[in-house]
Amino acid sequence: SAVISQKPSRDICQRGTSLTIQCQVDSQVTMMFWYRQQPGQSLTLIATANQGSEATYESGFVIDKFPISRPNLTFSTLTVSNLSPEDSSIYLCSALAGSGNTEAFFGQGTRLTVV
Amino acid sequence: SQQGEEDPQALSIQEGENATMNCSYKTSINNLQWYRQNSGRGLVHLILIRSNEREKHSGRLRVTLDTSKKSSSLLITASRAADTASYFCATDARSNYKLTFGKGTLLTVNP
Repeated sequence: SAVISQKPSRDICQRGTSLTIQCQVDSQVTMMFWYRQQPGQSLTLIATANQGSEATYESGFVIDKFPISRPNLTFSTLTVSNLSPEDSSIYLCSALAGSGNTEAFFGQGTRLTVV
Repeated sequence: SQQGEEDPQALSIQEGENATMNCSYKTSINNLQWYRQNSGRGLVHLILIRSNEREKHSGRLRVTLDTSKKSSSLLITASRAADTASYFCATDARSNYKLTFGKGTLLTVNP
């Protein structure tokens, strides 16, 4: 199994600013994902973080708002840009356990509050 | 969208009782998984059942899958207060590894 460290665990940000969330996996993983969980809701996939290339975004999410980096097989960042109160959510990093295995491991999440 | 729908949305039981949560989905799947989330924190994987399996057990957990009805159930036996959490089902399609999560069931186990 993989252990995922995500930071910060929470933050309060002013509107118009940006927050970068880091995700570190303790082993090399093939696939990493970023999810958003709005208050009281389920998880929605933002994008697949691709190593060495641009992330693949889901419908409704764009690179300008959610730039993602993945420089290697163990690390990824998600930036939430130009923050508004509607961005207040929990953001979660996830990685797949192994090739052909869709069992996912999750970081502890980042609780973002925009004021 | 093949987003799963869990029911009930909330379930409150006494310690020692069994808890059953259901999940329905819309399209063909490769696997169905159940996850647990404590107080808005990260998700913990509980169990995975493949589309060609009908039932699976893990400790106090029992999962069933009915692909003809596109539904699954999660049974937690002899519940404990520590089982209090939100439970989500998640499906992945045959063509990719992306997970689609259901809306979740909030389980409260009262001591």
